[in-house]
Amino acid sequence: AQSVTQLDSQVPVFEEAPVELRCNYSSSVSVYLFWYVQYPNQGLQLLLKYLSGSTLVKGINGFEAEFNKSQTSFHLRKPSVHISDTAEYFCAVRSTGGYNKLIFGAGTRLAVHP
Amino acid sequence: GAVVSQHPSWVICKSGTSVKIECRSLDFQATTMFWYRQFPKQSLMLMATSNEGSKATYEQGVEKDKFLINHASLTLSTLTVTSAHPEDSSFYICSAPSGTGRTEAFFGQGTRLTVV
Repeated sequence: AQSVTQLDSQVPVFEEAPVELRCNYSSSVSVYLFWYVQYPNQGLQLLLKYLSGSTLVKGINGFEAEFNKSQTSFHLRKPSVHISDTAEYFCAVRSTGGYNKLIFGAGTRLAVHP
Repeated sequence: GAVVSQHPSWVICKSGTSVKIECRSLDFQATTMFWYRQFPKQSLMLMATSNEGSKATYEQGVEKDKFLINHASLTLSTLTVTSAHPEDSSFYICSAPSGTGRTEAFFGQGTRLTVV
């Protein structure tokens, strides 16, 4: 079984500042890792994913994440945030076999202030 | 990327009535779709896995007679909330795997259900 822990429920930050949203996972099998963003009353949009290969993954909107197998982490970063980045961010994991379901973290609310 | 369309975006219904939510994969075939429920300020909880041509697989604690799932074609899955009550009010989201090796999940825009 897999589980995902997002260590921060809310992250306030000023515009143009850097941000890191933390995600740790546990799994007894190899996994794929994802970050999704959700705007109010909308579905989820994929920011980036780690399937294999380079541990530094770049996604949309200037976000990137680094897979660290030894620390079982997949933290999301952005060097300079905008007001429009205010949203809920979810880290998710699924096993590499079959069409297995996604397991989501509790989410982190990123609030960007002017 | 692949597109998943969910309809309606929001619905208000009276207590005791049934509501059907549709989830369509617009440009790809989906033999499997997933239905999630999200309470305010909370994460997504998987309710069931919809399988084309066979019965859905429900997660523990989800009432299959209350949340009827039908996956009649390779592009359409429906979730019917039967005899809805105010506690069923929630945000329901569907997703379907696609992409190379079906490693990525594409999500519908969600349905806000309010039962009054």
